[in-house]
Amino acid sequence: EIVLTQSPGTLSLSPGERATLSCRASQSVSSSYLAWYQQKPGQAPRLLIYGASSRATGIPDRFSGSGSGTDFTLTISRLEPEDFAVYYCQQYGSSLLFTFGPGTKVDIK
Amino acid sequence: QVQLVQSGAEVKKPGSSVKVSCKASGGTFSSYAISWVRQAPGQGLEWMGGIIPIFGTANYAQKFQGRVTITADESTSTAYMELSSLRSEDTAVYYCARVGRRMVQGVISYYFDYWGQGTLVTVSS
Repeated sequence: EIVLTQSPGTLSLSPGERATLSCRASQSVSSSYLAWYQQKPGQAPRLLIYGASSRATGIPDRFSGSGSGTDFTLTISRLEPEDFAVYYCQQYGSSLLFTFGPGTKVDIK
Repeated sequence: QVQLVQSGAEVKKPGSSVKVSCKASGGTFSSYAISWVRQAPGQGLEWMGGIIPIFGTANYAQKFQGRVTITADESTSTAYMELSSLRSEDTAVYYCARVGRRMVQGVISYYFDYWGQGTLVTVSS
């Protein structure tokens, strides 16, 4: 079973700053199978990125994803007030099996 | 627009079972898998399992094997998640999510594109 590790656990930044979130897999993952989600308190998660780098419908272009193999990155180019949230990476295994990373909280410095 | 509407909050006794429903509208229910994800208070997301309604076959995370049953009723576009032998650690918000798919670099990419609003299940004596 592939285990996902996210770092840092918490990222404290100011609006307008750049956020770089890391997701590392315990073994190589096809980039087509890596997704990122944003979750705000009291809300269901929202899909941001699929296929490691494709933005989901309606997602602003300040969000971008990259990476391959075991190392993936979510970048928020300039943080807006509404971007302070928890971010999860997710990988798809075979037979519609999925796993999530533990999450990175982006909070206001 | 696809919508997933879940059943309401539940309070259960330890050792009992809970069954949560997820009714889909606005899309083709049968041909998309539905997954279930839970989130304990203050914790992260945990994938439990999923089902492809048109096939009726379900897959489960190893942690929940033997304790969770996921089913789907195509006639009502509703998926169900039943968790048995409840314990306090099962207190969580349970979400259903549609598994979307798209070709990316020649490979089908799978992801959760629509989510239900969540159902709080509280296990307490």
